Amino acid sequence: AQKVTQAQTEISVVEKEDVTLDCVYETRDTTYYLFWYKQPPSGELVFLIRRNSFDEQNEISGRYSWNFQKSTSSFNFTITASQVVDSAVYFCALTTRAGGFKTIFGAGTRLFVKA
Amino acid sequence: DTGVSQNPRHKITKRGQNVTFRCDPISEHNRLYWYRQTLGQGPEFLTYFQNEAQLEKSRLLSDRFSAERPKGSFSTLEIQRTEQGDSAMYLCASSSGTGGGDTEAFFGQGTRLTVV
Repeated sequence: AQKVTQAQTEISVVEKEDVTLDCVYETRDTTYYLFWYKQPPSGELVFLIRRNSFDEQNEISGRYSWNFQKSTSSFNFTITASQVVDSAVYFCALTTRAGGFKTIFGAGTRLFVKA
Repeated sequence: DTGVSQNPRHKITKRGQNVTFRCDPISEHNRLYWYRQTLGQGPEFLTYFQNEAQLEKSRLLSDRFSAERPKGSFSTLEIQRTEQGDSAMYLCASSSGTGGGDTEAFFGQGTRLTVV
């Protein structure tokens, strides 16, 4: 079975603070794909990043960075110098080759960035 | 291309009525997905199309739900005899690619259904 756990329900930070969103996944498949999506108040899910199970290279893109560790089945997401516009719900998601084409989403972490 | 388009954006219906939602995917995408999202939860997979073929259906998709993608372009999701428990945001997404789950999906803004 596949499962995505986002233990943090809500996080509140002050603008310019760094914040890390945690994600732990479960799958028995050796080929899988991990995603982060952002859902602002408007409701549309916005794709942020995809990682393949065979690519553990971490990445930095502007203020965003991702830490993928297969040994701990974690795919954490960090926002550096947070801004008010980062306030949204962030979802970690998983697809697996064995699981077909459906994407399994975590319950989401609501991030509040206060000015 | 303007992305994935869904309409209506909001729908209020009385219990027992039928409703139909439409999704227009990104034009070059061959895959189309429907998800349901309730308050405070992540989206839950409902069904998936590869071109016009419906290849996978979740157990969440009861007999009252039916989805079609007749020409491999737009898709419709119909709910018959709506119940209050059907109240949710219904999200459509599309993606390209040939492998299994290896490409990101792009989502529409959703249709929020309220059953009263």
